[in-house]
Amino acid sequence: DGGITQSPKYLFRKEGQNVTLSCEQNLNHDAMYWYRQDPGQGLRLIYYSQIVNDFQKGDIAEGYSVSREKKESFPLTVTSAQKNPTAFYLCASSINSGLEQYFGPGTRLTVT
Amino acid sequence: AQSVAQPEDQVNVAEGNPLTVKCTYSVSGNPYLFWYVQYPNRGLQFLLKYITGDNLVKGSYGFEAEFNKSQTSFHLKKPSALVSDSALYFCAVRDGENAGNNRKLIWGLGTSLAVNP
Repeated sequence: DGGITQSPKYLFRKEGQNVTLSCEQNLNHDAMYWYRQDPGQGLRLIYYSQIVNDFQKGDIAEGYSVSREKKESFPLTVTSAQKNPTAFYLCASSINSGLEQYFGPGTRLTVT
Repeated sequence: AQSVAQPEDQVNVAEGNPLTVKCTYSVSGNPYLFWYVQYPNRGLQFLLKYITGDNLVKGSYGFEAEFNKSQTSFHLKKPSALVSDSALYFCAVRDGENAGNNRKLIWGLGTSLAVNP
């Protein structure tokens, strides 16, 4: 059963703690993406990766970090430097950049 | 500047009536255009795309979209709406400025579709 998985679905953390969100795909896609979704603001790109061991900042990268050590995996770390981390986080992948992206189910992060 | 606009925050339509969700774009080069649907607390699902060819594109769940180059629009349509079509719809266009493998998608802010029984 091919697709993109994100875990966990819901995540709660205390302010000041780093937290890592998981994203795995078995679609053999080269490109992977992380978005943040807030009510009324649509999707905002955090980081993206075109290929293993390479990634670029998106529009709102401050306070976030990523790694791409394997083609299948693109974890996102929300650091304590992110001033407003509570949001719905979506991971996506595509065969290569600029083509249709396929999304995971999302992780809702709440930081208090 | 490259952009995508979805001019309506919300669209209301009665079940069985045709529906249209609007999208206009501004991008350099030939546009690659996409529509997605999002149900509450879920990821986005790809509906359809236009890259080249016939201006009328058919996609999943009976949806279609018409590419209009002169009006720079890519409106999503369905001949007969279902209550289950109620969701958030996003239009996206490929970034035309970055070449090769560095292209991103530019997203609209979404349109909430409510289909009333």
